[in-house]
Amino acid sequence: NAGVMQNPRHLVRRRGQEARLRCSPMKGHSHVYWYRQLPEEGLKFMVYLQKENIIDESGMPKERFSAEFPKEGPSILRIQQVVRGDSAAYFCASSPGAGNGYTFGSGTRLTVV
Amino acid sequence: SQQGEEDPQALSIQEGENATMNCSYKTSINNLQWYRQNSGRGLVHLILIRSNEREKHSGRLRVTLDTSKKSSSLLITASRAADTASYFCATDTGNQFYFGTGTSLTVIP
Repeated sequence: NAGVMQNPRHLVRRRGQEARLRCSPMKGHSHVYWYRQLPEEGLKFMVYLQKENIIDESGMPKERFSAEFPKEGPSILRIQQVVRGDSAAYFCASSPGAGNGYTFGSGTRLTVV
Repeated sequence: SQQGEEDPQALSIQEGENATMNCSYKTSINNLQWYRQNSGRGLVHLILIRSNEREKHSGRLRVTLDTSKKSSSLLITASRAADTASYFCATDTGNQFYFGTGTSLTVIP
């Protein structure tokens, strides 16, 4: 079992470009969570998805950010028109169901220059 | 905010000593989890304690949970240099889970 796979590990984007972050959950896990970790801060919840559904997006910025978890393929976190403040580590976690513990990926470190 | 608060923010101890970190939260939870994050790496799940449990052990880790005080503690006994990392508590409300800001632990060889 390969665990939660995130790619790319590092992503550099210029201001105004789009960033697409991918997360493949563990086999058998249908729940995916995205977190953002700003430098020197803890993790902040962004969005919780199940296959083809957004369950909770209360932590997502209202503009430029979107997430999906299609029936086939990885979950995608998309950031449009990136700004320097988007520079952070973005972690994905998966679980087989709520309350069963979560497995994290190694994160994608986004740098906006 | 539901987010947990860890205390202390930073802790430095000698190898072999015990390290205790505390976590407080604000609303009802299903369970509470502790994670470790080494510098520049992903999070590693350490231990989960359910709301109806008061204490749990895993190797050198001991976690307590006091739901009346909405607090938890993580004790690492006989610390090692390899325990140097940031430790986060995460509270699970059933739909989401929230992380605290973490405790940075340094174990001096």
